[in-house]
Amino acid sequence: GDSVTQTEGLVTLTEGLPVMLNCTYQSTYSPFLFWYVQHLNEAPKLLLKSFTDNKRPEHQGFHATLHKSSSSFHLQKSSAQLSDSALYYCAFLTGNTGKLIFGLGTTLQVQP
Amino acid sequence: EAAVTQSPRNKVAVTGGKVTLSCNQTNNHNNMYWYRQDTGHGLRLIHYSYGAGSTEKGDIPDGYKASRPSQENFSLILELATPSQTSVYFCASGDAPGDQDTQYFGPGTRLLVL
Repeated sequence: GDSVTQTEGLVTLTEGLPVMLNCTYQSTYSPFLFWYVQHLNEAPKLLLKSFTDNKRPEHQGFHATLHKSSSSFHLQKSSAQLSDSALYYCAFLTGNTGKLIFGLGTTLQVQP
Repeated sequence: EAAVTQSPRNKVAVTGGKVTLSCNQTNNHNNMYWYRQDTGHGLRLIHYSYGAGSTEKGDIPDGYKASRPSQENFSLILELATPSQTSVYFCASGDAPGDQDTQYFGPGTRLLVL
């Protein structure tokens, strides 16, 4: 069945180091992939989403590339900032229903 | 940006009691969703709706009902609340399915069932 798998649990980084959070998916349909970010005591909000034309989405220094051959949509940033500390969800849209399937989430903690 | 509000923001309920969580969106989105968020489980879809009068079961609908009386409002109803329903509940809204279907989340409701 449709599913999404993320880097599990907590990822701790030192400020200035690169960020990579893994996301792989299993989907019956051609998927649309999303990354949502949730800061402490806030609502999840969209960080970026995949395009249909192979463009690489970018936002706030984060980018992700959809690789259909490996069923992946890893989130990357060249240099972590303290303000990047948050919970990150990878999600994909199932078929034509508007339903999102979320991964379990990865907590990123950036330390000085 | 889409505006989604939820009420109440915090709720303490007793086991066996009835709880209603309300959600309002002001951006005329067709789709609305109810999720619960629990550590180790991420965001799980409870019910969703394609428009006024429509409700659909999500992935974990047992113990919950939903109501969509209008385009703007979507309620989640716990007829007989249980401690296992203690969680943070998020409502979200979005437009028609497709690659532009960003979901906009409300601020969440923290529910404690004693």
